[in-house]
Amino acid sequence: AQSVTQLGSHVSVSEGALVLLRCNYSSSVPPYLFWYVQYPNQGLQLLLKYTSAATLVKGINGFEAEFKKSETSFHLTKPSAHMSDAAEYFCAVSDRRTPLVFGKGTRLSVIA
Amino acid sequence: DAGVTQSPTHLIKTRGQQVTLRCSPKSGHDTVSWYQQALGQGPQFIFQYYEEEERQRGNFPDRFSGHQFPNYSSELNVNALLLGDSALYLCASSPGATNEKLFFGSGTQLSVL
Repeated sequence: AQSVTQLGSHVSVSEGALVLLRCNYSSSVPPYLFWYVQYPNQGLQLLLKYTSAATLVKGINGFEAEFKKSETSFHLTKPSAHMSDAAEYFCAVSDRRTPLVFGKGTRLSVIA
Repeated sequence: DAGVTQSPTHLIKTRGQQVTLRCSPKSGHDTVSWYQQALGQGPQFIFQYYEEEERQRGNFPDRFSGHQFPNYSSELNVNALLLGDSALYLCASSPGATNEKLFFGSGTQLSVL
């Protein structure tokens, strides 16, 4: 079985500060890992994904994540937060064909 | 490209009623998956349809059923609604049964009173 744990249900950062959202996974097979963002009253938008290629993955809007097998982690970072980054972020694990298993999400607040 | 479209956007039902939610996949996509997102939770997989058949199913009771039409659009039906069925229902489409190119719609917010 696969599972995801997102550390911190709510993260607050100042505008211009580093964003770090933590995700740890459990998987018995080589995982595919995803980060999605959800703005209020909207669906999920894919930020980036790891599918067994490069361990440092760059996504949209300046976000990136690093797959660390030894730590079973896939943390999401962005060097400088913008007000528009305020949203709910979900980490998910899968392999190529099994359904995505999502974490409970982390709400990011950006303070001016 | 319209992306994944879902209807209706909001719905209010009472306990015991039945509801049907609809989804049109992104152009070029033939696989539709449904997820339930309860308040404050991550989405949970309900089932996936490909070639008009249910291919995978999550841990949901038989009250949840679906259908896929020849044009790849899909319906989610929920019978005998419970208060706990109140949630955002998300439809996602992909080209084939792969997670690498999964696109989500904006969802249908279902409230059961």
